[in-house]
Formats: sequence, structure tokens, C-alpha cells
Amino acid sequence: DAKTTQPPSMDCAEGRAANLPCNHSTISGNEYVYWYRQIHSQGPQYIIHGLKNNETNEMASLIITEDRKSSTLILPHATLRDTAVYYCIVSPAGNNRKLIWGLGTSLAVNP
Amino acid sequence: DAGVIQSPRHEVTEMGQEVTLRCKPISGHDYLFWYRQTMMRGLELLIYFNNNVPIDDSGMPEDRFSAKMPNASFSTLKIQPSEPRDSAVYFCASSRQGYGYTFGSGTRLTVV
Repeated sequence: DAKTTQPPSMDCAEGRAANLPCNHSTISGNEYVYWYRQIHSQGPQYIIHGLKNNETNEMASLIITEDRKSSTLILPHATLRDTAVYYCIVSPAGNNRKLIWGLGTSLAVNP
Repeated sequence: DAGVIQSPRHEVTEMGQEVTLRCKPISGHDYLFWYRQTMMRGLELLIYFNNNVPIDDSGMPEDRFSAKMPNASFSTLKIQPSEPRDSAVYFCASSRQGYGYTFGSGTRLTVV
């Protein structure tokens, strides 16, 4: 059973920031939040993960609320190549061995 | 690094035939995962290995499915006999502890 809730679809204009929300209200204290994306016909791609602090890498930023019950993935300047399904996953004890994948958010970046 | 390499990319086989899917993980990664993806069920974890040892195969649908990892650089997923309901995209992924997965490009299996 997926432990996260995401909107099924979102749209974003090219060049704008894409903010993808995720609800994980039952997250445990030792569970990390992972984000992956899957571009059509490809394998999923790791984006970022975090425990409680906000994280940033070359692909995206991850903002986790103080109570850790929700998070937002931010793509600062979305491009057409960011069109994909984005998955938010919580993983027990910081290990990524048994990720439970939900349905994700289908993000469409429009020109 | 060439990433996770899967073969074949596409496989079409007749019901009842044996199918073998292959995976070469990234060197240095000590976890290997086999996933199956369908429109109806999404991504399902079938089995994963740690240091070549199967850790959890609870996702393997039935005895027709088997997976092996004879060494750190190779794994196979075998279906015998295959059935039309096995048609799906099968992904292999590898990782190191504490890091995200790297997925292969997948094998699209069609059983007719």
C-alpha cells in the first residue's frame, strides 16, 4: 500500500517553476522521502531524497514541512524534457530497499 | 559508467515458452532489484538481492518466476512457462546503501 498521496496530474508552463506536492501524513520518524520520475518508455530516474531538512541538487529542490507530513518537489525552471510521471515515496529507516510505488503525478510542461 | 544494462530490450514469445531476462548492475552497487510495470498495477517489486543474496522474494507472483544472481555483475529473471498475463515491462535497478536506485531501460515482454 502506497503511503503517500499525490495529485494525479499537473500542468506547468515552460520556464516556470513546477511545484509538485506530496502528502505523507503517516510518515515515521526514521523514514526518508524519495522522489523519482519516469519519462515515457524509460526506467524511473532518481531525483532527490531527504529526512527532515530541505535538500537541493542539480535537478531539483525538496522542501519538507516541519512536521514532515508533507513535502514539495520544486523544479525551478521546468523544460519540456521534464514532462514525466513524478513519484513521491517514503522509505523505512532510510534504506531504499523496499520502495512502495504509488501512481505518482503526471506533470505536463507546456510550451 | 554505462549504467544498468538490461537485455533484451524487447521480447515476444509464445505462451508456454521459457523467457530469460538479463541484467548487469552498476559496478560497486551491492543491491539489485527486479521490478515489473503494467498499466493496471504500476511498479511492483518482485525480488531484491544484497551482495548477491536474495533478501526478499515476496513479490514474485508464483513459482513460474525465478531469479538468480550468480555474481556481483549479473542477474537473471526467468519465467517458465510464460503466460499472456506476464506481459509487462520488467526493470532491473541497482543501488548502494543510502543512495537512490539506478534503473535500466527495461525489457518489454509480450507473451502471445
